[in-house]
Amino acid sequence: DVKVTQSSRYLVKRTGEKVFLECVQDMDHENMFWYRQDPGLGLRLIYFSYDVKMKEKGDIPEGYSVSREKKERFSLILESASTNQTSMYLCASSLTPNYEQYFGPGTRLTVT
Amino acid sequence: DAKTTQPPSMDCAEGRAANLPCNHSTISGNEYVYWYRQIHSQGPQYIIHGLKNNETNEMASLIITEDRKSSTLILPHATLRDTAVYYCIVRSTGTASKLTFGTGTRLQVTL
Repeated sequence: DVKVTQSSRYLVKRTGEKVFLECVQDMDHENMFWYRQDPGLGLRLIYFSYDVKMKEKGDIPEGYSVSREKKERFSLILESASTNQTSMYLCASSLTPNYEQYFGPGTRLTVT
Repeated sequence: DAKTTQPPSMDCAEGRAANLPCNHSTISGNEYVYWYRQIHSQGPQYIIHGLKNNETNEMASLIITEDRKSSTLILPHATLRDTAVYYCIVRSTGTASKLTFGTGTRLQVTL
């Protein structure tokens, strides 16, 4: 079974802090994704990566950056956290671009 | 990617088949139909996908109409653990194609 893990289930940070969200997959998948999920807005793609050191902006990349130094790990970085980044963050991976995506359990981030 | 329309909520008795409909009338030839579900406070879980033929796996069956403008996800024997929000997604093939989740159908399985 594919396993996607995220570093924290719940996180509370202060405005202006730099925040790192980590995602690890154990299935040698090429593609990894970061989404955020908000009530009434569904899932929105922040960034994705189709190879090590490669990244592409999704629909809402502003205020975020990513890092993929190793195939199994994809990090989402909030350079200076703001209250409007309070959300559920979901990481996903897929074998190829067209394969199904497998999601981690999510990190519920609260920025105060 | 084509948009999808799903009913906001459905109920199903435990042990009965749950049939969840989805309309995707603007689907194009290279777009697949995917189904995911999300149990409260968890990440979405992949269920099944198809292009034009009906598909079945250990979790569910997917019936796609001949004109591909609608589909039905069937959970043959629903259990309480199937209570979740079910998302129908139409997705094009292409480089790292994203998933666009709508509001889905909230399925409540009851005793």
